[in-house]
Amino acid sequence: GENVEQHPSTLSVQEGDSAVIKCTYSDSASNYFPWYKQELGKRPQLIIDIRSNVGEKKDQRIAVTLNKTAKHFSLHITETQPEDSAVYFCAASYMNSGGYQKVTFGTGTKLQVIP
Amino acid sequence: EADIYQTPRYLVIGTGKKITLECSQTMGHDKMYWYQQDPGMELHLIHYSYGVNSTEKGDLSSESTVSRIRTEHFPLTLESARPSHTSQYLCASSGYRGATEAFFGQGTRLTVV
Repeated sequence: GENVEQHPSTLSVQEGDSAVIKCTYSDSASNYFPWYKQELGKRPQLIIDIRSNVGEKKDQRIAVTLNKTAKHFSLHITETQPEDSAVYFCAASYMNSGGYQKVTFGTGTKLQVIP
Repeated sequence: EADIYQTPRYLVIGTGKKITLECSQTMGHDKMYWYQQDPGMELHLIHYSYGVNSTEKGDLSSESTVSRIRTEHFPLTLESARPSHTSQYLCASSGYRGATEAFFGQGTRLTVV
């Protein structure tokens, strides 16, 4: 099955600096890579996603890059703000042997933005 | 409003009790999932379903069971709760065709005393 590794597990940055979170996956069949943000005491919510036919996607201060050859993808947050503080999860989605899509999550990165 | 709902939000229960955590979605999704998560930690998949009468065990061994008799409803049952079951349980759903984002419920925080 798929294996997703996520680094770092914790990340502290000064407000206004950039933050980068990296994930690697093992199954070359994975074709959908979402990123979720989970604020303290709340549910995970999608913030950005990318499909395997695209190398980069940007939404305001958030961007995601995908390198299919190296099997890694990254989340970039620029001009960080205190409200960006949360746990971020990457995920890789692939088709299993039964022909159904299955999602594997990374282990999470706790981002702290220091005012 | 289309959403995914979990009840109860919080539950404190004694050891040995049988409990059922409810999950319902009004999004018309076929795929549903149960995750176990300690606060701020990794999401562990314990059960999933691709449609009515379809249930599969996830990556994390769990003593719980699930059922999927209706598309919108995916309850999780613990026959005999133990302190080791204390955790947060998140239900999620996603679209039927292709790879799509997962929508999560608010979660049930379970404490077994």
